[in-house]
Amino acid sequence: EADIYQTPRYLVIGTGKKITLECSQTMGHDKMYWYQQDPGMELHLIHYSYGVNSTEKGDLSSESTVSRIRTEHFPLTLESARPSHTSQYLCASSPNRVQETQYFGPGTRLLVL
Amino acid sequence: SQQGEEDPQALSIQEGENATMNCSYKTSINNLQWYRQNSGRGLVHLILIRSNEREKHSGRLRVTLDTSKKSSSLLITASRAADTASYFCATGRGGSARQLTFGSGTQLTVLP
Repeated sequence: EADIYQTPRYLVIGTGKKITLECSQTMGHDKMYWYQQDPGMELHLIHYSYGVNSTEKGDLSSESTVSRIRTEHFPLTLESARPSHTSQYLCASSPNRVQETQYFGPGTRLLVL
Repeated sequence: SQQGEEDPQALSIQEGENATMNCSYKTSINNLQWYRQNSGRGLVHLILIRSNEREKHSGRLRVTLDTSKKSSSLLITASRAADTASYFCATGRGGSARQLTFGSGTQLTVLP
């Protein structure tokens, strides 16, 4: 089991609410990632970070934002949730080496009503 | 279009049989990785094969890589019901050392 954690595991929320999905890792990894995955589908990279104060948008356009104030935390925020945001969100981290293994958290299943 | 595409999309076999999944990709890679995902969970890394390797083993897993055909295969031998999961290949993008692109996965069901 990787030392990477996500909370909450499940979230059901109404349209228009602000939400923050938490991700933390205790492995000291510089690189962290957020993926969005619909059931039975591929993962889409929505945000990544190479270190503190570094964040970039991924391939899939997302209305979410991220921050990286500390190495171990990489929270994702949706200012105003919509039903189209319903999905599974997976956080991952990797050491600062070329294309090495990514370690995934258990994911957060988000349902926006 | 996505970098990695798995084939088949779904596979159902009996316990004890071998399962083979294939992955094709489009651009040059440094390595190719296979991950497993149990339903509703995160992904777990299984094996990494570098572009200068042709075959790699890990327990009941055997991975091959053919860079000339831009394809890889994952073989699970003597499958068990606990192997039931989705399997994804992931490739680093050509020229980029930092990100992985995942395919859509193969859903493997091993019947007891």
